[in-house]
Amino acid sequence: AQTVTQSQPEMSVQEAETVTLSCTYDTSESDYYLFWYKQPPSRQMILVIRQEAYKQQNATENRFSVNFQKAAKSFSLKISDSQLGDAAMYFCAYRRGGSQGNLIFGKGTKLSVKP
Amino acid sequence: GAGVSQSPSNKVTEKGKDVELRCDPISGHTALYWYRQSLGQGLEFLIYFQGNSAPDKSGLPSDRFSAERTGGSVSTLTIQRTQQEDSAVYLCASSIQQGLNQPQHFGDGTRLSIL
Repeated sequence: AQTVTQSQPEMSVQEAETVTLSCTYDTSESDYYLFWYKQPPSRQMILVIRQEAYKQQNATENRFSVNFQKAAKSFSLKISDSQLGDAAMYFCAYRRGGSQGNLIFGKGTKLSVKP
Repeated sequence: GAGVSQSPSNKVTEKGKDVELRCDPISGHTALYWYRQSLGQGLEFLIYFQGNSAPDKSGLPSDRFSAERTGGSVSTLTIQRTQQEDSAVYLCASSIQQGLNQPQHFGDGTRLSIL
């Protein structure tokens, strides 16, 4: 069975600084997708960034980028120029290959941003 | 257009009662997922509907849990004889079937509290 591990229950970053959130996963499959979701207090899960396992190039979305190390099964999220609005729970998630399928989530990292 | 809509937003009920939670997916989304988020935990997959195919019920924790999706759109998650451990936020998500790596769009969830 696939598992996703986020080893940092809480992280803190100063406004405008950079922070990296860690995620590792375990799978025997070669085709899969990885995601980072953000969950503010409003509860809604918001997609931050996604990565296809077959792509070697790391995904980027504005201030958000990932460091995808397939051999190490690592998928960390880097947030640059942190803003107060980035404060939230961040969840790493895995989905097997194919057109659809459920997500497998880590337990999350609570990110605080200090002004 | 409108996002995924869930109702009620909050539900408080007594142990032993049955509850129904509703999810209205984004129009045109053929895939619908239910997840459960217990306090301080990541999301746990419950059930997945894909078009007219038989649902994937592999995540349902007990036979007290059931779900249906009428007309390929609205879904109802039913919990019978509720227990205190059923207290959690229940999140619904939907996605488009066509294309690879289509993201799941989440609703705001229903917070269920069992007294």
